Amino acid sequence: AQTVTQSQPEMSVQEAETVTLSCTYDTSESDYYLFWYKQPPSRQMILVIRQEAYKQQNATENRFSVNFQKAAKSFSLKISDSQLGDAAMYFCAYRSDSGGGADGLTFGKGTHLIIQP
Amino acid sequence: DVKVTQSSRYLVKRTGEKVFLECVQDMDHENMFWYRQDPGLGLRLIYFSYDVKMKEKGDIPEGYSVSREKKERFSLILESASTNQTSMYLCASSYHSRGQEAGYTFGSGTRLTVV
Repeated sequence: AQTVTQSQPEMSVQEAETVTLSCTYDTSESDYYLFWYKQPPSRQMILVIRQEAYKQQNATENRFSVNFQKAAKSFSLKISDSQLGDAAMYFCAYRSDSGGGADGLTFGKGTHLIIQP
Repeated sequence: DVKVTQSSRYLVKRTGEKVFLECVQDMDHENMFWYRQDPGLGLRLIYFSYDVKMKEKGDIPEGYSVSREKKERFSLILESASTNQTSMYLCASSYHSRGQEAGYTFGSGTRLTVV
């Protein structure tokens, strides 16, 4: 079974600075997807960024980028120029491609990100 | 705007009651999921369904059952609610996809308290 580990229960960063959230995963598969989700107090899960395992290039979405190290099974999220609206729980998630997504996402335990004004 | 709708945002039930949590999606997705979210534990998969009337156990199915009579609706049932089932419940859906993004979409969650 796949596992996803987020080793930082809570992180704090000053507004406008850069923060990196860590995620490692364990799988024996070669085809999979990795995601970072944001969950603000509204509870709505919002997709921040995704990475296809077969792509070597790291995904980037505006201020959000990932460092995907497939051999090390590491998938960290970098948030540049942190803003107050970035404060939320962040979840790393894994999805196997073998079942076409039918068997759901495996989530880490989450990192609570605090933005200091 | 496509969405996954959970019928209740907050719910309070008594121990031993039968509880139904309803989830409806309007995206014609094949797959639907129920997760439970607890502080420090992340989201854990309870049950999922890849087609009408089909269901599969996730990681923590004990004490729960599900029903999917129509493609758009996926119900989570607590046959006899217990206090350890007090939690946040999230529904999600996706389309069946290999080799491409499956479009996971989540509901806003139901916070269930069992007293």
